[in-house]
Amino acid sequence: GNSVTQMEGPVTLSEEAFLTINCTYTATGYPSLFWYVQYPGEGLQLLLKATKADDKGSNKGFEATYRKETTSFHLEKGSVQVSDSAVYFCALISMDTGRRALTFGSGTRLQVQP
Amino acid sequence: DGGITQSPKYLFRKEGQNVTLSCEQNLNHDAMYWYRQDPGQGLRLIYYSQIVNDFQKGDIAEGYSVSREKKESFPLTVTSAQKNPTAFYLCASSVPNQPQHFGDGTRLSIL
Repeated sequence: GNSVTQMEGPVTLSEEAFLTINCTYTATGYPSLFWYVQYPGEGLQLLLKATKADDKGSNKGFEATYRKETTSFHLEKGSVQVSDSAVYFCALISMDTGRRALTFGSGTRLQVQP
Repeated sequence: DGGITQSPKYLFRKEGQNVTLSCEQNLNHDAMYWYRQDPGQGLRLIYYSQIVNDFQKGDIAEGYSVSREKKESFPLTVTSAQKNPTAFYLCASSVPNQPQHFGDGTRLSIL
């Protein structure tokens, strides 16, 4: 079956530090990959996506590249801000299964200190 | 504005009671989903519906029920058979091959 593995948190960084959150996956066929962000007490917001190998998704300074050879989709940001503090979820949809629901990683909490 | 509305934001259940969580969307999406989120864990799929009058069990459907009588609405009932219902419940919707949009969630607790 499909699965997503994320690095455990919390990740604690100082403002303007470089961020990497690792994500690897197992899936049938060629999945689409996503990063979602969850702020306290809220639902999930789509941060970025990539639908095929070597695609780079980007938004608000965050980037992730779909690496089929390493089955990875690591999230990066060059300079984090306090406002980036949230929980980040890596997720996939495998179109081969006919079930169009997301499979999520366990989430990584990011804490950015001023 | 288009979006997904979940209500109530907080809900309390007594022992042996069924409760229903509301999810309404005005995005004209065909597919709708219910997920459960436990502390420190990712989201797990409870039920999903690709089209009106049809729905499928997800990974943790036991103790839950749904209906999809209208395109806009996908209510979730947490039955008394669900022995550990305390969690954050998230509803989502999408069109085929596009990312899912999420509501702001309902937090369910046991009295």
